[in-house]
Amino acid sequence: GENVEQHPSTLSVQEGDSAVIKCTYSDSASNYFPWYKQELGKRPQLIIDIRSNVGEKKDQRIAVTLNKTAKHFSLHITETQPEDSAVYFCAASIRKAAGNKLTFGGGTRVLVKP
Amino acid sequence: KAGVTQTPRYLIKTRGQQVTLSCSPISGHRSVSWYQQTPGQGLQFLFEYFSETQRNKGNFPGRFSGRQFSNSRSEMNVSTLELGDSALYLCASSSGLSDTQYFGPGTRLTVL
Repeated sequence: GENVEQHPSTLSVQEGDSAVIKCTYSDSASNYFPWYKQELGKRPQLIIDIRSNVGEKKDQRIAVTLNKTAKHFSLHITETQPEDSAVYFCAASIRKAAGNKLTFGGGTRVLVKP
Repeated sequence: KAGVTQTPRYLIKTRGQQVTLSCSPISGHRSVSWYQQTPGQGLQFLFEYFSETQRNKGNFPGRFSGRQFSNSRSEMNVSTLELGDSALYLCASSSGLSDTQYFGPGTRLTVL
């Protein structure tokens, strides 16, 4: 089955700097890659997603890039703010008629220091 | 639209008991997926229901089961609870036609 690896497991950045989280997946049939942000004690919240027919997607300070050949995708957060501190999860799934299931990476704990 | 809701939010059970968790998806969504979140194993997929049918299943023992009702609400049942079942159980809803999944707040299950 699909396996998703996420690095780093923890990331500490200074406010205003950029943060980059990288994920690799094993199943070349995966075609949907969401990113979730989970604050302490709260539900995972979808922050951005990308499909395999797109190489890059941006939403304000957040961007995701996908390299299908290398089977990896990355989350980029620019101009980090203290409220960006959270655990971030990448995931991959294969969209098919029989439904879809998300396989998650292990998570990255991001700490933005003011 | 109201978001995904889960009840109860917290549960304490003892080993050997069984438990039922409930999830109400976003109005109009027909797919409900369940995930287990633990510090050691992270987020793991349990199963997905769509139009009252199990459409996908993860690698969990048969003690974990679920069902979906005609109004798309879903329940998850865990029988013969073990200490290792202590976790945050999250459900996520999607339209069933789109990949996008929205999570509920979760049920924190503690097994003593």
